[in-house]
Amino acid sequence: NAGVMQNPRHLVRRRGQEARLRCSPVKGHSHVYWYRQLPEEGLKFMVYLQKENIIDESGMPKERFSAEFPKEGPSILRIQQVVRGDSAAYFCASTSGQYTGELFFGEGSRLTVL
Amino acid sequence: AQTVTQSQPEMSVQEAETVTLSCTYDTSESNYYLFWYKQPPSRQMILVIRQEAYKQQNATENRFSVNFQKAAKSFSLKISDSQLGDTAMYFCAFIPPSGYSTLTFGKGTMLLVSP
Repeated sequence: NAGVMQNPRHLVRRRGQEARLRCSPVKGHSHVYWYRQLPEEGLKFMVYLQKENIIDESGMPKERFSAEFPKEGPSILRIQQVVRGDSAAYFCASTSGQYTGELFFGEGSRLTVL
Repeated sequence: AQTVTQSQPEMSVQEAETVTLSCTYDTSESNYYLFWYKQPPSRQMILVIRQEAYKQQNATENRFSVNFQKAAKSFSLKISDSQLGDTAMYFCAFIPPSGYSTLTFGKGTMLLVSP
């Protein structure tokens, strides 16, 4: 399966711990997006990355959240000192960059903060 | 800023019947893409259908079709011959054709297909 792979699928953290979510895009895709989905809500854009560059992080909280997409390896969304309000499903999507509009989504990582 | 509005939080339909999900959007762009994504209980986002704004013809994918009214900024999804497997959250989404665009989603409509 050459789709977007996210791990872990489920992650439980206590308040104050760190959460790291990984996303391997579709092979050949160099553009990655992270979205957050709160219960009963649609997906909210967080950050858009290309290899080694953050293109748009306007949807990401300024503190505690960071994202990277290194030259080699998966994209990482990192949440430091998690709080209960960070509990959500985090989705990664990728695209080749050629404008078709379609994003290919992973199955999401569900973060639960106790 | 673009906004996408889905005014129906929940819809129900019986198997084999037809249902229409509503979506309106707001944008100053003249060209863009519109999408319907399906999110079943497994939570993965699955693309159902896509419409390019410069195309007047409504997109169709098997039992799924759209009614795209550009002037009214309306983009409804019609599901014909509903099946139990169609039970899911359906999200309408919009993306303008700029290099750094990303999808803007509506809040979703929960569709329940019953036997």
